[in-house]
Amino acid sequence: NAGVTQTPKFRVLKTGQSMTLLCAQDMNHEYMYWYRQDPGMGLRLIHYSVGEGTTAKGEVPDGYNVSRLKKQNFLLGLESAAPSQTSVYFCASSSELNTEAFFGQGTRLTVV
Amino acid sequence: GENVEQHPSTLSVQEGDSAVIKCTYSDSASNYFPWYKQELGKGPQLIIDIRSNVGEKKDQRIAVTLNKTAKHFSLHITETQPEDSAVYFCAALNSGGYQKVTFGTGTKLQVIP
Repeated sequence: NAGVTQTPKFRVLKTGQSMTLLCAQDMNHEYMYWYRQDPGMGLRLIHYSVGEGTTAKGEVPDGYNVSRLKKQNFLLGLESAAPSQTSVYFCASSSELNTEAFFGQGTRLTVV
Repeated sequence: GENVEQHPSTLSVQEGDSAVIKCTYSDSASNYFPWYKQELGKGPQLIIDIRSNVGEKKDQRIAVTLNKTAKHFSLHITETQPEDSAVYFCAALNSGGYQKVTFGTGTKLQVIP
């Protein structure tokens, strides 16, 4: 049982480049989330999904887009990366909204 | 909106001693309070949680207490071990019209052998 798997683990982007972060969960969870973690600021919600085909904005959605075409996958896209998006990104999933979340191992993204 | 404050930011204890981490929240409508442990290079892992209709919950060496009147909740780790060394995050969930989880800024716990 892999739980929540994120791809890639590390990435360096140049300003203006685009990329997609992949998240897959094998627990049949309805709810999935993307967070960013910055030093001294805890975890902040970027976008979330309450089911296949649905997405919603979180606390810090600007500059990011998401898609949930399949129940087990939640993709986070950066269309034009900026240095302010340098962060560690975590995907999570849960069977109930906002409770008992399982997190992936994180993606460390650096934008230069 | 909800504001969660977590203290201390760093905590060092001798192996075998107890560790206490405290969080306060601002929104009285918050009703779910999880605690996560994050080891170096890994994602946060839920270690214990408590709902607002309960005052205390224990799981082996870990316990969480909730004081709704004072709007604070605490994580207690007894008989600490080196493998307890990690960053711990508290969080509060407001299950009102717009559900939102707000995380604390984390406490780095170091257990000294």
